[in-house]
Amino acid sequence: DTEVTQTPKHLVMGMTNKKSLKCEQHMGHRAMYWYKQKAKKPPELMFVYSYEKLSINESVPSRFSPECPNSSLLNLHLHALQPEDSALYLCASSASPLSGTFGVGEQFFGPGTRLTVL
Amino acid sequence: AQSVTQPDIHITVSEGASLELRCNYSYGATPYLFWYVQSPGQGLQLLLKYFSGDTLVQGIKGFEAEFKRSQSSFNLRKPSVHWSDAAEYFCAVGGSNDMRFGAGTRLTVKP
Repeated sequence: DTEVTQTPKHLVMGMTNKKSLKCEQHMGHRAMYWYKQKAKKPPELMFVYSYEKLSINESVPSRFSPECPNSSLLNLHLHALQPEDSALYLCASSASPLSGTFGVGEQFFGPGTRLTVL
Repeated sequence: AQSVTQPDIHITVSEGASLELRCNYSYGATPYLFWYVQSPGQGLQLLLKYFSGDTLVQGIKGFEAEFKRSQSSFNLRKPSVHWSDAAEYFCAVGGSNDMRFGAGTRLTVKP
């Protein structure tokens, strides 16, 4: 199994809702990532988990709350979002995280969740 | 700090024509370089990567890229473009813990 799966594919939520995005991989990768991508822009890194521990938080607002229950699963909990948070949310994984340096593993991306905040 | 520049925002080529997408990077040591492709509303798919060794790298879907240290470039090429190659192409530098993407080049293929 060489893919990263994400659910749901599409999500529409109001500003007072609480929802969660889910990401799963079964490649034995020990690093997992959340990215946010606005239209016609490159992905922007939000969070990095290495060995199930949060290692990088790119100053993301607290209305986004990541969780890594085990080495295969990554969640992103959403609460009190704003319309400008509407975007494609991408999950990725890689084999070997090396804190503070570049590793030799590429990142494998899921298909993304298209989030619309009304 | 590492960074990636893709000078061309949008390129249009005719089907069957050759393609070259430009990528320049800034990094203090030997970089790890990648090209990803993204179809509309989809995730990113890795086309090819360079870590070390042979500077001409072969990838999937008939793509290749050449690492030129003297020019700090890692340009993507394809000898004959197919209509299905129309997509957004991202060059990236980095690796496991930190990936920096260029702004992307949108490829349109004319029939």
